[in-house]
Amino acid sequence: SYVLTQPPSVSVAPGQTARITCGGNNIGSKSVHWYQQKPGQAPVLVVYDDSDRPSGIPERFSGSNSGNTATLTISRVEAGDEADYYCQVWDSSSDHQGVFGGGTKLTVL
Amino acid sequence: QVTLKESGPVLVKPTETLTLTCTVSGFSLSNARMGVSWIRQPPGKALEWLAHIFSNDEKSYSTSLKSRLTISKDTSKSQVVLTMTNMDPVDTATYYCARIPRAAAGTSGMDVWGQGTTVTVSS
Repeated sequence: SYVLTQPPSVSVAPGQTARITCGGNNIGSKSVHWYQQKPGQAPVLVVYDDSDRPSGIPERFSGSNSGNTATLTISRVEAGDEADYYCQVWDSSSDHQGVFGGGTKLTVL
Repeated sequence: QVTLKESGPVLVKPTETLTLTCTVSGFSLSNARMGVSWIRQPPGKALEWLAHIFSNDEKSYSTSLKSRLTISKDTSKSQVVLTMTNMDPVDTATYYCARIPRAAAGTSGMDVWGQGTTVTVSS
């Protein structure tokens, strides 16, 4: 089955740029979706189809995907961005099963 | 306004069957461009996708749990039901349902999630 690998944690100072990676075999050929989850809350979609943002998500959130790595970039990080972030794909080689990465805890210093 | 709401038992015993219901509003389960997924999250752990269903009754299941899961829908009631057999304490988790948009280009990200329902498996 398809595996997505994320770093367990990323730390960044307020105002700086955070980059969260999601590794997978030839992930560039798939559409990657990113979710933000704050403690005690349901996940929220922040980027879909590699780089599109749902309405209401700040432009500070952006995504890219190429080769074996997809990246969620959060510019001008704010304290309120502190959360767990998950990448996700649909695995067309396995009956379109959903696959999540292990999640990355973003800490704002 | 699109909403999804999970419902089901808070506590189940080992070996019992869990039945969860996701009631949707603001969109129809007969909409060819929409599906519903179930996802779970054990305490302190990562999200785990379980299953999904689309309007044409297309279904997919997690390989590791396929033998224990059944997903179905009742379009008239706007409900998607997930059953999981032979529950074990390791199945203790918050269970979410979420909407999946599907465009011509493919299946997109899960754009609206329910609040989740917590299930504890214990004797």
